[in-house]
Amino acid sequence: EVQMLESGGGLVQPGGSLRLSCAASGFTFSTYAMSWVRQTPGKGLEWVSSISASGSATDYADSVKGRFTVSRDNSRNTVYLQMSGLRAEDTAVYYCAKDNKGGYSYAYGDYWGQGTLVTVSS
Amino acid sequence: EIVLTQSPGTLSLSPGERATFSCRASQRLSSSYLAWYQQRPGQAPRLLIYGASSRATGIPDRFSGSGSGTDFTLTITRMEPEDFAVYYCQQYGSSPRTFGQGTKVEIK
Repeated sequence: EVQMLESGGGLVQPGGSLRLSCAASGFTFSTYAMSWVRQTPGKGLEWVSSISASGSATDYADSVKGRFTVSRDNSRNTVYLQMSGLRAEDTAVYYCAKDNKGGYSYAYGDYWGQGTLVTVSS
Repeated sequence: EIVLTQSPGTLSLSPGERATFSCRASQRLSSSYLAWYQQRPGQAPRLLIYGASSRATGIPDRFSGSGSGTDFTLTITRMEPEDFAVYYCQQYGSSPRTFGQGTKVEIK
């Protein structure tokens, strides 16, 4: 069974940093791209970042470019999202999703984790 | 960035009724790179449809997708109690991937 388990969310002050992790199981992790998507009540679902199966290519939404970094450890079946310079508008539930293929172009998320809540507030 | 507009915002239906959701793209989607997701309260989105009309693994055949270009439709032939949820469309043909704002289906 394909599963993703996110962790690392919590309360952080504006300007602070947080690292999210997503542990995957039930599929050959190293052959699929992975993505992060966030959800807020006000803005709905927003794609944040994707990383290719090998980790050699990454893509970011303009809203997080330069502040967030996606990476993966294929030996640990884990993808990470390092978030810095956090703002109130980054408050959201962050979901990790398995993409349907190795490259993230023309790919969609076919399995999603349950999400982890990030709250940016003083 | 491609903007997806879903309608209606809310749909009130009874179990057994047919549901039809619309998703309109601001630009033509090449090769029908459009997906539909279902999100129940407190749960993550679940993939229903990809490529505009292909059902994902394990999705019942009462769910179907259609459309091309800029206009896409999700149809549920007969609403089951577990189908009352929020439905999102998403395009994945260009970066950034974008989502519609969702259609909520509530029990009449």
